[in-house]
Amino acid sequence: NAGVTQTPKFQVLKTGQSMTLQCAQDMNHNSMYWYRQDPGMGLRLIYYSASEGTTDKGEVPNGYNVSRLNKREFSLRLESAAPSQTSVYFCASSEGGGPKNIQYFGAGTRLSVL
Amino acid sequence: GQQLNQSPQSMFIQEGEDVSMNCTSSSIFNTWLWYKQEPGEGPVLLIALYKAGELTSNGRLTAQFGITRKDSFLNISASIPSDVGIYFCAARAGNNRKLIWGLGTSLAVNP
Repeated sequence: NAGVTQTPKFQVLKTGQSMTLQCAQDMNHNSMYWYRQDPGMGLRLIYYSASEGTTDKGEVPNGYNVSRLNKREFSLRLESAAPSQTSVYFCASSEGGGPKNIQYFGAGTRLSVL
Repeated sequence: GQQLNQSPQSMFIQEGEDVSMNCTSSSIFNTWLWYKQEPGEGPVLLIALYKAGELTSNGRLTAQFGITRKDSFLNISASIPSDVGIYFCAARAGNNRKLIWGLGTSLAVNP
């Protein structure tokens, strides 16, 4: 049981390049999330998808786009990468809403933008 | 954005010592979660709390949901080297899918 799988694990980009971070979950969860983690800043929500076909902005959405491709997959796209987007990106999933809804995390993608 | 006040920011302790950390907020929540993150990995859930006053254990870890619903505490007893990592608290209000996060407590254990 893989849980939440993120690819790639590491990536180096030049300023202005584009790339898509992939995330897939095999737990039949309805909701998926993208976070970024920076030193001293904790986890900040970029975008989330409450259910297949819906996406909503989180705390720091600027410079990113997302696609909920199907129930399993939720991708994060950087159209024109900037050094400020150097970070560790985590994808998470949960069954849905409700107070007992737990988020499960992938291992992260470490991105450097030069 | 809204954040939880998590303290201490870091701890360096001797193996065998007990550890205490806490999270506070000015807002009321109905779910408190404690996660641990090891180097190079994503956060992993340790304990979930759903009722004010609830005390829940997971091995050497014990967490409590504060009576006021504005805080939570995590204790680790008899620490061991594998306890090293960053511990995060997170909380949710109502049925909101989004979690509010603390900035983490970094724990180092000297064998």
